[in-house]
Amino acid sequence: AQTVTQSQPEMSVQEAETVTLSCTYDTSESDYYLFWYKQPPSRQMILVIRQEAYKQQNATENRFSVNFQKAAKSFSLKISDSQLGDAAMYFCAYRGDDKIIFGKGTRLHILP
Amino acid sequence: SAVISQKPSRDICQRGTSLTIQCQVDSQVTMMFWYRQQPGQSLTLIATANQGSEATYESGFVIDKFPISRPNLTFSTLTVSNMSPEDSSIYLCSVGQLNTIYFGEGSWLTVV
Repeated sequence: AQTVTQSQPEMSVQEAETVTLSCTYDTSESDYYLFWYKQPPSRQMILVIRQEAYKQQNATENRFSVNFQKAAKSFSLKISDSQLGDAAMYFCAYRGDDKIIFGKGTRLHILP
Repeated sequence: SAVISQKPSRDICQRGTSLTIQCQVDSQVTMMFWYRQQPGQSLTLIATANQGSEATYESGFVIDKFPISRPNLTFSTLTVSNMSPEDSSIYLCSVGQLNTIYFGEGSWLTVV
């Protein structure tokens, strides 16, 4: 069975600095998708970034980028120039053939 | 991306009663999912709502407790039956589109 592990329950970063959130996963599938979702206090799940496993190039969305290491089964999220609005829970997620599986989340605090 | 509307957004429910959550999507989608997020926890898949057939439930979730309807390709409901305080959670509707999962705003239920 697939698993997703986020080893950092909480992290803090100074405003305008860069922070990296870690995620590892386990799967025997060769074709899958990986996601990072942000959940602010409003509780809505917001898609931050998506990575297709067959693509070697790391996905980037403005200040958000990933470091996708397929062989190591690692999928970290880098947030550059952190802003107060980035404060939220961040969930790493895996989707293979059927359902999507979420990690336990990392709570990110932004220090002014 | 799909626009997903969920109702109610928040409710306080009496123990022993049932509540139905509605999920409306602005486009036709094949796959709709219902998740539960208990306080301070990650998301857990309850079931996959299939149009024209019975929903597929995950281990630990049963149809008698969480009946689901999927009358067409843009709408689904989840009922939480005979509620107890342990059912106090956020319930999220989501859809699969273009290999990405999008979420509604969530329904925050508190059972007293």
